[in-house]
Amino acid sequence: QVQLQESGPGLLKPSETLSLTCTVSGGSISGFYWSWIRQPPGKGLEWIGYVHYSGSTNYNPSLRSRVTISVDTSKKRLSLKLNSVTAADTALYYCARRVVDTDIGAFDIWGQGTKVAVSS
Amino acid sequence: DIQLTQSPSSLSASVGDRVTITCQASQDISTFLNWYQQKPGKAPKFLIYDASNLETGVPSRFSGSGSGTDFTFTISSLQPEDIGTYFCQQYDGLPFTFGGGTKVEIK
Repeated sequence: QVQLQESGPGLLKPSETLSLTCTVSGGSISGFYWSWIRQPPGKGLEWIGYVHYSGSTNYNPSLRSRVTISVDTSKKRLSLKLNSVTAADTALYYCARRVVDTDIGAFDIWGQGTKVAVSS
Repeated sequence: DIQLTQSPSSLSASVGDRVTITCQASQDISTFLNWYQQKPGKAPKFLIYDASNLETGVPSRFSGSGSGTDFTFTISSLQPEDIGTYFCQQYDGLPFTFGGGTKVEIK
């Protein structure tokens, strides 16, 4: 079955760039939309944005000026870059697959998440 | 952005109880609403789509209803393995947004 695994540095300093990778295994990356979603400690979920396997993207306006999401279909990987991080970016970051039926904006496969802390 | 307000924020119920969670949208979202379960330390699990459709493999004690701005998620008979936090999520418009969550505990 399809599995997602996020990876990246767990600790950043303010103003640095957050770079995360999500590796897809057990299935195809093609044909799907792939999202990044984050969850600050003890809080709810925030959708960051998505990338289609073709490379098209859409971002949450609240983060659009700082975020880039990309996909490498040959390596079955998606990536997230978030510039100029602050303590408010401290969160558990998930990658997630949107269900194949694009009439349904739901996320059926999630990675385990990777913790990112921003502290000086 | 479309805001989703869940209530209650937490609840405690006995095994076998009927549990109901509500999710109110800040505008009409038709039935473009999903529900997820997040167990402690785990990623969310997709349960219900389009307000009332059960994802494959999800136990039938879970159900959802509603349209427009008011939605309900129900566990007909609470089981010990149902503890966790439940989130609603809308997909009527971008950005996708989530409710604040309802933490369900066993009394």
